[in-house]
Amino acid sequence: IAGITQAPTSQILAAGRRMTLRCTQDMRHNAMYWYRQDLGLGLRLIHYSNTAGTTGKGEVPDGYSVSRANTDDFPLTLASAVPSQTSVYFCASSANWGNTEAFFGQGTRLTVV
Amino acid sequence: GESVGLHLPTLSVQEGDNSIINCAYSNSASDYFIWYKQESGKGPQFIIDIRSNMDKRQGQRVTVLLNKTVKHLSLQIAATQPGDSAVYFCAENIGAGGTSYGKLTFGQGTILTVHP
Repeated sequence: IAGITQAPTSQILAAGRRMTLRCTQDMRHNAMYWYRQDLGLGLRLIHYSNTAGTTGKGEVPDGYSVSRANTDDFPLTLASAVPSQTSVYFCASSANWGNTEAFFGQGTRLTVV
Repeated sequence: GESVGLHLPTLSVQEGDNSIINCAYSNSASDYFIWYKQESGKGPQFIIDIRSNMDKRQGQRVTVLLNKTVKHLSLQIAATQPGDSAVYFCAENIGAGGTSYGKLTFGQGTILTVHP
């Protein structure tokens, strides 16, 4: 069972470019999340989806967009990347919205230069 | 804004010792408090949670204590092993009725190093 799969594993991106981070889960979880992790700041919620077809803004949504066309996929798009978006991005899912146990992917290390 | 934070950024212990990782929180509306473990190069992994109406919960080799009077949360790991070396995050889950309902808010993390 794969759980949460993120792609790519790492990426170096030129500032101003558009980038989509992919996230797929095979657990049929209703809720999905995108976090960014920066040293000293822990994990911060970017966007979330509590069920397919709905999304919401987290703590740091500016510069990012998401979509949830189906249960399994939850891509995160950076429309025009900036250096401050250099971070490690984690996708996660939980069976239902509000569950305390979330399952995380391996992360995508993104460097914007 | 209200947040979850940690007292100590690093903790070093000898294999076999017990470890205690502490966390302070400020949001009294939190419904659950949770501990996650993150090993190097991996995503966080759920360890244990405790509901706000409890003061203690035990799992396999771990115990979480909640002191609502002083808004303090701790994770105790018994007989710490080298495989326990990781970053430990406390997190909170806001209960229904708040604008942050259902969202996990993470603290900054404590690095636990276990020496053989």
